[in-house]
Amino acid sequence: SQTIHQWPATLVQPVGSPLSLECTVEGTSNPNLYWYRQAAGRGLQLLFYSVGIGQISSEVPQNLSASRPQDRQFILSSKKLLLSDSGFYLCAWGTGSPILISSYEQYFGPGTRLTVT
Amino acid sequence: GESVGLHLPTLSVQEGDNSIINCAYSNSASDYFIWYKQESGKGPQFIIDIRSNMDKRQGQRVTVLLNKTVKHLSLQIAATQPGDSAVYFCAEINFNKFYFGSGTKLNVKP
Repeated sequence: SQTIHQWPATLVQPVGSPLSLECTVEGTSNPNLYWYRQAAGRGLQLLFYSVGIGQISSEVPQNLSASRPQDRQFILSSKKLLLSDSGFYLCAWGTGSPILISSYEQYFGPGTRLTVT
Repeated sequence: GESVGLHLPTLSVQEGDNSIINCAYSNSASDYFIWYKQESGKGPQFIIDIRSNMDKRQGQRVTVLLNKTVKHLSLQIAATQPGDSAVYFCAEINFNKFYFGSGTKLNVKP
């Protein structure tokens, strides 16, 4: 069965410090991978998605970046955190193809709660 | 991005009653819709999905209705239980991109 891991679970970082959040998926190959951010009491905002190694699409301008060095690894990074980067970060994987209409189920990781102080 | 919104931010229901959570979407070209349940401090969990060529789909105690004419989606939960208390999101999918609403918080009163 498929499993998605995220770490760390919680993180407190000072403004201006770097960030690296990691997400890995097990039990599937060539998944679509997604990073979302959820502010308190708000919906999910899609930050990045990837349909393959080295392929990253950014949805919103920001000081975050994403990388996919391996098929089942997705990393969210920042060189200098801002206060506004605080939030609940969720990684997700899915099998939907941008070309073929197939199942678009997405499976979410446990999330990382980031507090920038 | 797309605009997916919810009519009610908070819904309180009595245990055993049916719940109806509504969602409006903006892109008539979206071909797939999903309802998620998110418990406090956890990631969203898939509940049920529906394709744009359907108007109704039933699961276990849940039913999703799609009205493409008015671009409206609803989630019906039968015999609501305390364990159903959570935030519910709808998502529309367009070209492999997911757009989520802000969510409706469902409170189930014993």
